[in-house]
Amino acid sequence: EDKVVQSPLSLVVHEGDTVTLNCSYEVTNFRSLLWYKQEKKAPTFLFMLTSSGIEKKSGRLSSILDKKELSSILNITATQTGDSAIYLCAVESGNDMRFGAGTRLTVKP
Amino acid sequence: DSGVTQTPKHLITATGQRVTLRCSPRSGDLSVYWYQQSLDQGLQFLIQYYNGEERAKGNILERFSAQQFPDLHSELNLSSLELGDSALYFCASSLSVDRGNNEQFFGPGTRLTVL
Repeated sequence: EDKVVQSPLSLVVHEGDTVTLNCSYEVTNFRSLLWYKQEKKAPTFLFMLTSSGIEKKSGRLSSILDKKELSSILNITATQTGDSAIYLCAVESGNDMRFGAGTRLTVKP
Repeated sequence: DSGVTQTPKHLITATGQRVTLRCSPRSGDLSVYWYQQSLDQGLQFLIQYYNGEERAKGNILERFSAQQFPDLHSELNLSSLELGDSALYFCASSLSVDRGNNEQFFGPGTRLTVL
């Protein structure tokens, strides 16, 4: 059965710290991996990584896809309190889209 | 604001009942997706419609059904409701049919409580 696992489940850091969130997957017919940020309600899109685009960067956030290791990392540098959220990883495969349980990031002032 | 609207915001009903959730996609988007988010199951993909036709099915129960209308809005019908159906139901939309290569924009969700 397809599986997406995120780690850690929860993380508490202080402003200015750098964090790395992990996502590993076991799916058939991998097509893409997506990262979302979920604050209070709806997830908002961060990055999409595919075989043709394995590294993305936007401001303080960056993500890399390792197709050999079947994993991805999301890096956030110089964290701010506004980065506090649940970060979801999702993998698109064939007919399905599987989400991980998420990493709850808390950034303390 | 993603441009995706969902109604109602909250819905409280009893076991055994049937409800309809409504979603209007972003202007120009042809694909609509439905997701269920519960505390124990996390976020789960239910179903995708593209330009009125069903394109992909995920973890959707047989008691649930959906459709997309000519004006591209979509409805998710949940019947014979059980306590375990209590969850946040999200609708998302995207421009194309290809889920793997285009960004989805999520609506604010409908919180369903089954008593």
